[in-house]
Amino acid sequence: NAGVTQTPKFRILKIGQSMTLQCAQDMNHNYMYWYRQDPGMGLKLIYYSVGAGITDKGEVPNGYNVSRSTTEDFPLRLELAAPSQTSVYFCASSTTGVDSPLHFGNGTRLTVT
Amino acid sequence: DAKTTQPPSMDCAEGRAANLPCNHSTISGNEYVYWYRQIHSQGPQYIIHGLKNNETNEMASLIITEDRKSSTLILPHATLRDTAVYYCIVRAYNDYKLSFGAGTTVTVRA
Repeated sequence: NAGVTQTPKFRILKIGQSMTLQCAQDMNHNYMYWYRQDPGMGLKLIYYSVGAGITDKGEVPNGYNVSRSTTEDFPLRLELAAPSQTSVYFCASSTTGVDSPLHFGNGTRLTVT
Repeated sequence: DAKTTQPPSMDCAEGRAANLPCNHSTISGNEYVYWYRQIHSQGPQYIIHGLKNNETNEMASLIITEDRKSSTLILPHATLRDTAVYYCIVRAYNDYKLSFGAGTTVTVRA
């Protein structure tokens, strides 16, 4: 199993541009999550999904959109990039239930200038 | 509101046990204690979790006090590769998400 795969690894955007961060998992996990991590800080939840077709907001959803059309994929969309969105973005997945740990990808490092 | 309190940093000698404390004095009966670590800006890595009983796996041991208000993560023989930020997280039974704080930066020294 590849686990959780995130692409791209690095990206530089200009203010106002848009992009989609890709996340795919091959563990047949129902739950998927997007977190962001600013320098020197802990992770903050952006959006999460408990299954295909179901998404919900986390702590910091403004400026982002998500969709979950399949179990495997959970893309994160930035429509109008702003410097405040410069961060490292982590995708994670887990099986059903609170007793199941989250598995994280290795992140996408995004810079908006 | 922070559910856990951890020291911001600690040092440990290579080959010795590293004991990482975590205070979670407001923990509820249905909340688990989870530990993750993050090595050099990689994705967080799951270490261990527990509800009431002490737990051990190939990576670490988790000791939870009887009143469940605090816990200790023990890395039995720390190596240089254990240098990382360690996060203690309280997670409710019906909460699918994890909320990360600032964690403890652990530096293992040769």
